Amino acid sequence: RKEVEQDPGPFNVPEGATVAFNCTYSNSASQSFFWYRQDCRKEPKLLMSVYSSGNEDGRFTAQLNRASQYISLLIRDSKLSDSATYLCVVKGAGGTSYGKLTFGQGTILTVHP
Amino acid sequence: DTGVSQDPRHKITKRGQNVTFRCDPISEHNRLYWYRQTLGQGPEFLTYFQNEAQLEKSRLLSDRFSAERPKGSFSTLEIQRTEQGDSAMYLCASSLVRGYSGQGRDTEQYFGPGTRLTVT
Repeated sequence: RKEVEQDPGPFNVPEGATVAFNCTYSNSASQSFFWYRQDCRKEPKLLMSVYSSGNEDGRFTAQLNRASQYISLLIRDSKLSDSATYLCVVKGAGGTSYGKLTFGQGTILTVHP
Repeated sequence: DTGVSQDPRHKITKRGQNVTFRCDPISEHNRLYWYRQTLGQGPEFLTYFQNEAQLEKSRLLSDRFSAERPKGSFSTLEIQRTEQGDSAMYLCASSLVRGYSGQGRDTEQYFGPGTRLTVT
């Protein structure tokens, strides 16, 4: 079983749609959680951190459920510029592994006019 | 440019050749990470350094792979006797950690543009 699992999609949605991505992780000792965005042939960039209390950044809402080891990302009012791969990321479980990021395989989103 | 830089950006090599990649982190960052990304997959952790100390290596890092960060600044990743399965994007990232070596919390990891390796 992969440490971080995501639905690879692809998701094809019209502009203005709401889209949700889900992710599960296997290591209950994981410390921190993130969503990264990766444009085609570019490096990953941090989109937002994810907290148990839920957090929002404009049109983006992230949620963490530690009990079920589940992470989600909701994008409202999708824009063409949201087209990218969204990577669910879990950070190390402690000790010398603390800094290590473990990525899901990514979910491809295409927003069309 | 004050971000993470990597060189070369692209490398095409024949199977069996050795290749070396360089990463220059953000100047004040003391942690440096190497990841590998193949098509359709997320990046996979290879190894990381705190200053010049290599703190963890993935099982993915076979004996043909070696990484160094001799002065705690730039890092090199060498692949010996390349195989076609080594074809991938090699990403470097850096961050700043404060506190006890290996245990402190670090800032966001900033990624470089990557080196795309093609082994023919």
